[in-house]
Amino acid sequence: KAGVTQTPRYLIKTRGQQVTLSCSPISGHRSVSWYQQTPGQGLQFLFEYFSETQRNKGNFPGRFSGRQFSNSRSEMNVSTLELGDSALYLCASSLLQGFSRSGANVLTFGAGSRLTVL
Amino acid sequence: TQLLEQSPQFLSIQEGENLTVYCNSSSVFSSLQWYRQEPGEGPVLLVTVVTGGEVKKLKRLTFQFGDARKDSSLHITAAQPGDTGLYLCAAATGTASKLTFGTGTRLQVTL
Repeated sequence: KAGVTQTPRYLIKTRGQQVTLSCSPISGHRSVSWYQQTPGQGLQFLFEYFSETQRNKGNFPGRFSGRQFSNSRSEMNVSTLELGDSALYLCASSLLQGFSRSGANVLTFGAGSRLTVL
Repeated sequence: TQLLEQSPQFLSIQEGENLTVYCNSSSVFSSLQWYRQEPGEGPVLLVTVVTGGEVKKLKRLTFQFGDARKDSSLHITAAQPGDTGLYLCAAATGTASKLTFGTGTRLQVTL
């Protein structure tokens, strides 16, 4: 079956602009999480959506937002871009929400969208 | 804020050598996962450990979860060039969906 698809793969924006990134999860997966990866901070959790509702949010400013559609596809938006927003934005989908003690839930990551802010 | 410290940060070894990567924290985790990420790709799950003291083997890779569920290690036996990549540990607390990732260990295996 198809994996997690993220578009666009690469994009360049200038400071002050906004950007929208898209994520199509694995068919049947209802949970979509977003992470930001930078050389300095590593992988940091942005937010998670399950059944069109934001279930958990990381420690990022309000310029970072997201949403999930009824078909489980998700988008994230970053407004008023700053140089520090340059990063690889990774989307991951999973069948379940959360991680039980059984460890049954598995995250499958997409290849990411690499954003460069000039 | 929970921190997961990985060591070493970088490791360059020759094919056939053994290595161990460590993942340490002061927090207790309900489960811990190890991922490998290759350039241009997202992280790929290698294993999930949930029980203190648990040991899991995946071919030449051995994963261990500390007794107190605060630390973990990944041991690779007879490393091969295909093992090259960024190794990340990631932990969950309770049933929250948020994963906290470690600082990463970049491994290069040369012929």
